[in-house]
Amino acid sequence: NAGVTQTPKFRVLKTGQSMTLLCAQDMNHEYMYWYRQDPGMGLRLIHYSVGEGTTAKGEVPDGYNVSRLKKQNFLLGLESAAPSQTSVYFCASCSGGAGLSPDTQYFGPGTRLTVL
Amino acid sequence: AQSVAQPEDQVNVAEGNPLTVKCTYSVSGNPYLFWYVQYPNRGLQFLLKYITGDNLVKGSYGFEAEFNKSQTSFHLKKPSALVSDSALYFCAVRSGYSSYKLIFGSGTRLLVRP
Repeated sequence: NAGVTQTPKFRVLKTGQSMTLLCAQDMNHEYMYWYRQDPGMGLRLIHYSVGEGTTAKGEVPDGYNVSRLKKQNFLLGLESAAPSQTSVYFCASCSGGAGLSPDTQYFGPGTRLTVL
Repeated sequence: AQSVAQPEDQVNVAEGNPLTVKCTYSVSGNPYLFWYVQYPNRGLQFLLKYITGDNLVKGSYGFEAEFNKSQTSFHLKKPSALVSDSALYFCAVRSGYSSYKLIFGSGTRLLVRP
């Protein structure tokens, strides 16, 4: 049981390049989230998904796109990277259903992205 | 709109002393409050949460948090700090009850000195 995994762990991009971050969870969770973490600003929600085939915008969605084609995977895309997107990106998931802790989010280890 | 505030960027405490990391909240309706911890180069880990019931919530690693409705606070506490407790701590409030979204505070760095 790996929990939530993220690939890659590190990436350096040049301005204008594109890339996709992959998040995978093996807990059969319905809900998945993408956050970015910047110093002094905590975690800010970029996009989220409440189930396979669904996505929704979070607090800071501009410049990012997402897809949830399979329940276990949640992809975050940067079509044209900008230096302002230099950050640490975290994926999380929660069950969202019945049970003791439907809203407890489980986090991946993060992806550190630098855009030059 | 739901929000949380962590007024201290850093808290310093000596090992063996009690620690408190502060959090205040602003919500409409009943608050669902959380504490998470982040160790260096790791993702966040769930510590504890308050939904309803007893105002003192116990969590992982000996941490507990006290919910105070009149002061709109949810402070994280531990009776005796360990050097290994040094980490970044985040308070969060649940927003969007059908989507289980969380809104995080800016984080408080806890430094426990030997």
